[in-house]
Amino acid sequence: QVQLVQSGAEVEKPGASVRVSCKTSGYIFTDYFIHWVRQAPGQGLEWMGWINPSSGAPYYAQKFQDRMSMTRDTSLTTAYLELNSLTSDDSAVYYCARTTTAATTWDAFDIWGHGTMVTVSS
Amino acid sequence: DIVMTQSPDSLAVSLGERATIHCKSSQSILYNANDKNYLAWYQQRPGQPPKLLFYWASTRGSGVPERFSGSGSGTDFTLTINAVQAADVAVYYCHQYYGTPLTFGGGTKLEIK
Repeated sequence: QVQLVQSGAEVEKPGASVRVSCKTSGYIFTDYFIHWVRQAPGQGLEWMGWINPSSGAPYYAQKFQDRMSMTRDTSLTTAYLELNSLTSDDSAVYYCARTTTAATTWDAFDIWGHGTMVTVSS
Repeated sequence: DIVMTQSPDSLAVSLGERATIHCKSSQSILYNANDKNYLAWYQQRPGQPPKLLFYWASTRGSGVPERFSGSGSGTDFTLTINAVQAADVAVYYCHQYYGTPLTFGGGTKLEIK
């Protein structure tokens, strides 16, 4: 079945960087865009951007574009999110999510990873 | 940015009764070229990732029971849950994918009375 399996929880110090992975399976990796969404503790959902797994081209929300990088490894069918210059405001669960329709950028998300908790603390 | 406003923030419904959640967008999310509303609904149970309930405002996601329904167009949308069950306790989010940045409503917490 279609699955997105994310890497484990991370604890980082302010100013550090974190990389979260999203291993996909059960479908053709390059056919569907992967989006990243985060959720601070007890808060709502915040969209961060997407990556086109076929071309590797990313699109970042303006809020994050200066310190975020999205990449992918097609041989591993895995997408990656890297966030730099962490502050306590970045403490959140980070989700990867697949678009519902193949080859579609702006779309709902039908498959979600289980989430990766990132804690930023000195 | 397109602001998504949900109401109410929370509601308590008796088992078997109906729950209605509203979502209003700050601008129309109906794309006239294809006559589709770029609106999705998600259910998030405690400790779980969101689950897709509806996309294109009213197209049911995989495995979603028929007692859930999505409706609306333009700027006003509704999620209705008929015959609420204990398993429906969750936070429900609307989501627009019409314009960037993609945005979500603040969520509506459904509890059992």
